[in-house]
Amino acid sequence: DVKVTQSSRYLVKRTGEKVFLECVQDMDHENMFWYRQDPGLGLRLIYFSYDVKMKEKGDIPEGYSVSREKKERFSLILESASTNQTSMYLCASSPLGRVGYTFGSGTRLTVV
Amino acid sequence: EDKVVQSPLSLVVHEGDTVTLNCSYEVTNFRSLLWYKQEKKAPTFLFMLTSSGIEKKSGRLSSILDKKELFSILNITATQTGDSAVYLCAVEPGGTYKYIFGTGTRLKVLA
Repeated sequence: DVKVTQSSRYLVKRTGEKVFLECVQDMDHENMFWYRQDPGLGLRLIYFSYDVKMKEKGDIPEGYSVSREKKERFSLILESASTNQTSMYLCASSPLGRVGYTFGSGTRLTVV
Repeated sequence: EDKVVQSPLSLVVHEGDTVTLNCSYEVTNFRSLLWYKQEKKAPTFLFMLTSSGIEKKSGRLSSILDKKELFSILNITATQTGDSAVYLCAVEPGGTYKYIFGTGTRLKVLA
């Protein structure tokens, strides 16, 4: 069964901490995405990557960075966590030239 | 600016009712529209629509796209409590492989 795995379901961090959210896919997909989901705002794209070591900003990249050193792994980094980054974070992947995503189960991050 | 608008934002019905969820969009060079169902975890894929007028069906769910009027609807007939979820609509501007999502419609089906 093909899968996108996010390492943590729930995470609580303190303001100012550096936070790493990990996403791994086993489908050999080229494209990977990070979204955050907030009530009333839907899913908003933070960063995406079309290939190893490539990254592009989405609609709300401020306060975030990403890393893609290997094809199967796409990491989202909060350099200095703030309370307004409390959210559900969803990772997704898709194959090159194909439409549609496979989503991970999400990480609910709370910054206190 | 590309955008996707879903309505209603939330809906409460009783088992057996039929519901219609709406998704309207404005995007550059539309390529595809997706519907997802999200319960407590990952959104799960329902339908992909690329052409107008072709109804996609899966059991009690169906969906259709109107590229002239820029909207899609998702119909659920004979609703069950297991249909309770957030339904997400997402649209792809041409050739980007990244999707713009609506805010979702939260459906609650009462027994």
